[in-house]
This record gives sequence, structure tokens and C-alpha cells, in this order.
Amino acid sequence: GAGVSQTPSNKVTEKGKYVELRCDPISGHTALYWYRQSLGQGPEFLIYFQGTGAADDSGLPNDRFFAVRPEGSVSTLKIQRTERGDSAVYLCASSGTSGRLDTQYFGPGTRLTVL
Amino acid sequence: LAKTTQPISMDSYEGQEVNITCSHNNIATNDYITWYQQFPSQGPRFIIQGYKTKVTNEVASLFIPADRKSSTLSLPRVSLSDTAVYYCLVGLYSSASKIIFGSGTRLSIRP
Repeated sequence: GAGVSQTPSNKVTEKGKYVELRCDPISGHTALYWYRQSLGQGPEFLIYFQGTGAADDSGLPNDRFFAVRPEGSVSTLKIQRTERGDSAVYLCASSGTSGRLDTQYFGPGTRLTVL
Repeated sequence: LAKTTQPISMDSYEGQEVNITCSHNNIATNDYITWYQQFPSQGPRFIIQGYKTKVTNEVASLFIPADRKSSTLSLPRVSLSDTAVYYCLVGLYSSASKIIFGSGTRLSIRP
């Protein structure tokens, strides 16, 4: 079946601009996660949704970052007033509710470059 | 979540068995040990998870000693396509848990 998809695959923007990154989770998965990965580092947690609500947004670095999941499926990560330090690969993952040992399925990521 | 320590990088050759050891001295009673694999330009991919002793699947084996303070991911007869970063994670992961990744082990396989 289809995996997690993310669009765009690459995004180049200028400092100060607004960007939106989209994630389409695996159909039926209720949990959705956003991570950010800088070069040479492991992914860093940003926010987690259970259904439509953000269950844990403790990883969002500041109030320029915001994410929504209005219908409990597709999610959009929004970054306002982008800074060069926001350049990274943004990964989305989803998981079902099959129980305690449920694994997360990751998308290919969106590479964001802020000039 | 328990902290993990794993080698920064490892090199091996095609056809060899590769063992990557992860230390997790502060593992809690309810924690599981999970390994993810990440190829360049892709998101991480779950490869194996275990609680104690040995777990084997079509991709790898995971060896966990009785004290559970370490674990070893074993990749049999590696090929060039096994070149990737491997992350060792410890915790009680579920559909309601964020994953805390470390820097992982960068495995390079040579012909």
C-alpha cells in the first residue's frame, strides 16, 4: 500500500518568507509526527498529533513554527518568517493504534533551504 | 528515556557479518530496544525491536543479554545496499510516543 508522502520534496525560500510543508500519512493511521533533521544528526522531534489535536508540541523550537491536522489525516507544518537556521530536512511519520509496540512509518522528507 | 551510546561509524566489506553494539545502562524495566535504519535522502525505517534474549527477522538479529544494559544488532552477509545510518533507541514506544534519536552509527560497506 501507499506509504507516507510529503510535498514538496524540495523547497527553497528566502529569509523572512512563509512556507508550508505537507504530509499525507498512511491511510487509517491516527498518529502523526513531525521531525526535523539537520545534516549529520538524527531526527529531532517537533510535534505529535493524535487525531486532529496536537498531543505533544514540546519540540517546536519557537512560535514561528505551527502545525495543523484539521481532519485527522493530512497535516501541514507552517513556518513563519523563515531563518537560515531553519534549513533542514523535515520528516513526517505516522503510526496506527495496534498497540504498545506500534512502529512509526516515515516519509521521504522535505528538504527546506532558506537563503 | 534511557540514553544510548553507539559507535559513530563502522566500516565493513560485502559478505561479512556486521555487529553494532549499543549501550543503555539506564534502561528501565518496561523499556524496549528498537533499531531504525536510514538510507541517504530517505526517512528512517524500523528494522527490529526486542525486549530480551534474541529476536530475528528477515533483515537482522537483535541480541540482548540478561542485564539488558546493552544490545547488539547483527546484519548477516552485508551488501553495499546496507550502507546506512543505524539508530539504537530505548523506550516504551507506542503510537503515543515521540522517538528520541541519537546520532546513530554510520555503516559503510565496501566491495
